[in-house]
Amino acid sequence: DQQVKQNSPSLSVQEGRISILNCDYTNSMFDYFLWYKKYPAEGPTFLISISSIKDKNEDGRFTVFLNKSAKHLSLHIVPSQPGDSAVYFCAASTIIQGAQKLVFGQGTRLTINP
Amino acid sequence: NAGVTQTPKFRILKIGQSMTLQCAQDMNHNYMYWYRQDPGMGLKLIYYSVGAGITDKGEVPNGYNVSRSTTEDFPLRLELAAPSQTSVYFCASSYRRTSGLTDTQYFGPGTRLTVL
Repeated sequence: DQQVKQNSPSLSVQEGRISILNCDYTNSMFDYFLWYKKYPAEGPTFLISISSIKDKNEDGRFTVFLNKSAKHLSLHIVPSQPGDSAVYFCAASTIIQGAQKLVFGQGTRLTINP
Repeated sequence: NAGVTQTPKFRILKIGQSMTLQCAQDMNHNYMYWYRQDPGMGLKLIYYSVGAGITDKGEVPNGYNVSRSTTEDFPLRLELAAPSQTSVYFCASSYRRTSGLTDTQYFGPGTRLTVL
């Protein structure tokens, strides 16, 4: 039973255009949704998050949109740059005993073409 | 600050062998986590700790043990290695942020383990 799903294993976008990465979830009890970026042979690094009570959060070139009725979130990167090529993981959070328990999607490999 | 460090980077084990994956953080974080990532899959939580002496199971704890004797260190023990434990293991740490902001987990570079 996969609670967080990223249905696109890969995405290819031209430099300067918009990249849109999608994520679906099933559990309405998640309190935050996060995006992590991962380069090969490195650990994931935090990118941006959104509270379950918001519908949009923006940080520079990165914007996350949350549609609670559809249980869907998306990450928009505008404009896309070559350094954005990486694997992007969507994650959903619950707090247990004060610890943040994350459930990750499978990841989407984003390739930015010059 | 070195952040979160993990050793070793790579390891090959034979079935039935045991080993300890080391994880250390120098950010004085209370919360520490162990994840595994199988090919083409997301990270799955193995164990977590909310402070020295306190640990609890995550989503996939079978075949693993942890201890947390200090704030800095959170080793993961594999007692009887099995091929199903072939994976990349990531350690992470975080601190409790003020309300209105979510915690940020900081990840180590990972340990790639192969069990043959």
